[in-house]
Amino acid sequence: AAGVIQSPRHLIKEKRETATLKCYPIPRHDTVYWYQQGPGQDPQFLISFYEKMQSDKGSIPDRFSAQQFSDYHSELNMSSLELGDSALYFCASSPPSLISNLQETQYFGPGTRLLVL
Amino acid sequence: TQLLEQSPQFLSIQEGENLTVYCNSSSVFSSLQWYRQEPGEGPVLLVTVVTGGEVKKLKRLTFQFGDARKDSSLHITAAQPGDTGLYLCAGARDSGYALNFGKGTSLLVTP
Repeated sequence: AAGVIQSPRHLIKEKRETATLKCYPIPRHDTVYWYQQGPGQDPQFLISFYEKMQSDKGSIPDRFSAQQFSDYHSELNMSSLELGDSALYFCASSPPSLISNLQETQYFGPGTRLLVL
Repeated sequence: TQLLEQSPQFLSIQEGENLTVYCNSSSVFSSLQWYRQEPGEGPVLLVTVVTGGEVKKLKRLTFQFGDARKDSSLHITAAQPGDTGLYLCAGARDSGYALNFGKGTSLLVTP
C-alpha cells in the first residue's frame, strides 16, 4: 500500500539559510500534519492542513511557514535556519471520514533529517 | 506540559516474558493511537482505539482504552527480540488536530 512520501530524506544547511521540505500524503487522504522530533524527544506538532486550509497550529516558529496545495501535497518552508532546527521532520496524513471511520488516525512518513551547521 | 504520561520509560526483559506499558492522562481524548518507532524512522501505526473500554488485539499485542478515554495500555505476551523498539502512545482531540505524544517506552527484549 502507498505510504506518505517525504523529500528530501536528508538535508544539510548552514545557519541563516532556507529549506523546503515536501510531503505527499497517502492517496485520498485530505489532511496533512507536520511534526518536529529532536534527538531523544517525542514528536512535537507544528501545523496541520485540511482541504488546503490550516486546521490546527502548534509550536511552529514564525520563521517557518507551510501550505497545502490543490493536489493535497504540502510544503514546509523554513527560513533563517538556526542550529536548534536540526531535527527529524515528519509529515503525517489522515483519511477523510467518507472512507474511514478512523479519520483521526495519522500515518507517518519516513521523515526528513535536517542538519543545520 | 506533557498531556500523556507514559510508563515505564525503559524496560529490559528476557524473551518469553510478558509486559505492560501504560499511557495516562487527565485529559479526555477522542482517540488514542499506539506507534512503534525505530531510530531515524517514522512512527509506524500499530492501532487506533476510539471507544471507551475498547480492547483490540494484534497477534501478541493487546491494547485497551480506558472507560473514560483518558488512559490506555499495551500488553505484550511472550515478548520476542523482534519486539525491541520505542513504543509511543498519542492522543487526538479530533480529526485534523495535533497528536499529543507520550515520551515513549524503550523496550529491549534479550534472547
